[in-house]
Amino acid sequence: DAMVIQNPRYQVTQFGKPVTLSCSQTLNHNVMYWYQQKSSQAPKLLFHYYDKDFNNEADTPDNFQSRRPNTSFCFLDIRSPGLGDAAMYLCATSRDRGWDEKLFFGSGTQLSVL
Amino acid sequence: ILNVEQSPQSLHVQEGDSTNFTCSFPSSNFYALHWYRWETAKSPEALFVMTLNGDEKKKGRISATLNTKEGYSYLYIKGSQPEDSATYLCANNAGNMLTFGGGTRLMVKP
Repeated sequence: DAMVIQNPRYQVTQFGKPVTLSCSQTLNHNVMYWYQQKSSQAPKLLFHYYDKDFNNEADTPDNFQSRRPNTSFCFLDIRSPGLGDAAMYLCATSRDRGWDEKLFFGSGTQLSVL
Repeated sequence: ILNVEQSPQSLHVQEGDSTNFTCSFPSSNFYALHWYRWETAKSPEALFVMTLNGDEKKKGRISATLNTKEGYSYLYIKGSQPEDSATYLCANNAGNMLTFGGGTRLMVKP
């Protein structure tokens, strides 16, 4: 089945130790997104790729970076995780960026920072 | 309304009850309203995407309405079942990216 896959499901890292979360898709969608959701709050968009074009949200901390080496894969790098970065990280895709394009989500990676 | 707000935050109902919850959003610059269902340990899945004032969408026992002039959408579940237990997220597109609400967590007791 075509889908969006996130690995790992749970990730534990140490304060200040770089961590990378991965996302892959078999939908061949142009757009890939990374959302951060902290304990039952609204998912917050960090950035998105439209094909190879990277689009950062204005309030996304510099500590968060992303890479999209090809259509299928997208990575979220947290350079120096702080305790406040513990959250659920959701990857999503859409075929295009139209306002009526629905998002297809992965099941998320729950990040803990010790 | 400046952000997307959902109410209630959580809801417990008995199997067979019908229920509804609300999504409020800024009525200016409206382009589309999305509803997603997120079951625990699974991926959020799109339920509806609505773009027109007065739009009504239905999928089985779940339906949604949209009022873009006053900035709200209702999600209705008829005859709730335990498998409807999930967090229901709405998201507004005001011409840029989707802005999500905090969700309504629904628990249906058998």
